[in-house]
Amino acid sequence: GESVGLHLPTLSVQEGDNSIINCAYSNSASDYFIWYKQESGKGPQFIIDIRSNMDKRQGQRVTVLLNKTVKHLSLQIAATQPGDSAVYFCAEKNSGYSTLTFGKGTMLLVSP
Amino acid sequence: DAGVIQSPRHEVTEMGQEVTLRCKPISGHNSLFWYRQTMMRGLELLIYFNNNVPIDDSGMPEDRFSAKMPNASFSTLKIQPSEPRDSAVYFCASSQTGVGYTFGSGTRLTVV
Repeated sequence: GESVGLHLPTLSVQEGDNSIINCAYSNSASDYFIWYKQESGKGPQFIIDIRSNMDKRQGQRVTVLLNKTVKHLSLQIAATQPGDSAVYFCAEKNSGYSTLTFGKGTMLLVSP
Repeated sequence: DAGVIQSPRHEVTEMGQEVTLRCKPISGHNSLFWYRQTMMRGLELLIYFNNNVPIDDSGMPEDRFSAKMPNASFSTLKIQPSEPRDSAVYFCASSQTGVGYTFGSGTRLTVV
């Protein structure tokens, strides 16, 4: 029979728009968070990270926001470009452990 | 730095055959991780090494899977015997501090 694959949430935007990708994490003990970008046929690539003692961190065209109260993480991409089209994963880590736990991912599609 | 190097990029094998995936981590990184990615389950941690020692192999699906890290610059993931349900993309990642992993380009395994 036909297998049912994981249906990724998809965000479609126009080039030049700002994009916001959201992630809910489950472990209240997590104290380190990372956003990864995965393009087709490639491995996940580090974008930006944030520690739990911060609620906002900015990079080049990207901003990560952390709301520990509701266990929510978001990635904001300014002036989205077609090259930003990819699957974006959030990952969390508990300082007591050395491994990251990845979310299921969100697909970002940018139309020119 | 050439990054994390995985080989082969693609592997097609028949059910029952032995498969060996290879990984060269970034020089100086002391942690190495093997992940499996499928549409159904997303990114799953299989095993984690620190200073060449396996620390957590709870993600290894079953005894058919084994991983070794004989030295700081080389690791293998072996599946024997392989089954069609093992078809996936297998990623190796390395890290210097246990966070902020750098991923390889992955090995796409197809078992027919």
